[in-house]
Order: sequence, then C-alpha cells, then structure tokens
Amino acid sequence: KAGVTQTPRYLIKTRGQQVTLSCSPISGHRSVSWYQQTPGQGLQFLFEYFSETQRNKGNFPGRFSGRQFSNSRSEMNVSTLELGDSALYLCASSLTGTGAREWTEAFFGQGTRLTVV
Amino acid sequence: GENVEQHPSTLSVQEGDSAVIKCTYSDSASNYFPWYKQELGKGPQLIIDIRSNVGEKKDQRIAVTLNKTAKHFSLHITETQPEDSAVYFCAESLFSGGYNKLIFGAGTRLAVHP
Repeated sequence: KAGVTQTPRYLIKTRGQQVTLSCSPISGHRSVSWYQQTPGQGLQFLFEYFSETQRNKGNFPGRFSGRQFSNSRSEMNVSTLELGDSALYLCASSLTGTGAREWTEAFFGQGTRLTVV
Repeated sequence: GENVEQHPSTLSVQEGDSAVIKCTYSDSASNYFPWYKQELGKGPQLIIDIRSNVGEKKDQRIAVTLNKTAKHFSLHITETQPEDSAVYFCAESLFSGGYNKLIFGAGTRLAVHP
C-alpha cells in the first residue's frame, strides 16, 4: 500500500513569488492536513481538507491556501512568499481526520522543503 | 490553551539503555495521544499512540503511559539501538470548534551511542 506522496521534494523560490505544493494521500483516505515545520516553531497546523472542503484552519495568514480534489489529492498554495515561509511543509492523511471525536491515525509524507531567497 | 510541553529537548543514551520522554498537555478533554519519530530528511512516522481510556500501551521495545489526572504522557524506549536515534514528537488531539486537530510538542532529539 503506497504511503503519502508529496511533490516536489525541494523548491527554491524568490520573495514575492507564489508556490504550489502537492499531496497525494493514502488510497482510501479522505482527510488531508497540512503542517509547517520550522526549527523555531516546530510543527504548526495549517489546515485540513475533507471531501473537497476545508474543515479546520490554523493561525496562518490568508496567503496560505489550499484545495482538495475529488480523488482526495490536495494542493497547498502560498502567495507573495516571504523569507519566513522557508520551512518543511508536511501533509498528513487519515481516514476521517478531524471530523470525529474519535481520532484516526494520521500518516505523514516526506515533506516539501521550501527555501525562499 | 493549545500547548504541549515536551521534555527533554535533547537526550543522549548508551546503546542498550532506556530512554524516557515526557509530555504535559493542557486540555483535559483531549482523548488521543500519538508519538511520532522523525529521521533526518523524512516525514514524521507514527510509532505508537494511546487513547484516553487506556493507561498504558506496549509495542515491543516501545511503551506509552498516560496519566489523565496529571495530564502527563510518556514514551519509554527500552534496549535502545543506534537506529532509534531521531527526533521524537508527542502530540495531543485537541477538540476545538467542533473538530479535532493535533497539537505537537517541540520535539526531543534522541542520540543513541554505540
């Protein structure tokens, strides 16, 4: 069974540009969550998508957005990049995600390392 | 509040020794507590988890204990091996606004020396 796949693995962008990251969840999983990982802030929750709808959102500015397609694949977009956006962006897939009080396991991809110069 | 405190931030042990990492959470309604292992250049890997109706769970050399009264949970690794060297994250599932989300600790860098 294939795991969570994130593309690309590495990206270098210039300040002011925008970037799109992709995540393919485990087959059958309908929830995709995105996290930002930095040495200073650790793992921070960005947002979660379930059945093409954003269901939960963290405390990030509107420059961070995402979407989910009917096959559960998800994309994350960051516009007007800032130096502080340099981070490892991780996505995690799970069967039901955040919608139930009974949590189901979340499995992470390898991440996309974004460097903003 | 949304906060999980994790200690220690770094831990160095000799191969064969035990390692213990402790986390404290703040939301008494949290009901799910996973532990993740992250090796260099990889995403976090779920290694064990525990739900609030259980006090202890074991899987070979790894065990997790939960004290709901004190809001503490701990990861125990016995007979450590060099391949256990990684960063370990604890997390709590926080129910907020009708949905759960995972709140992570800051991580513990474990080094196992041969």
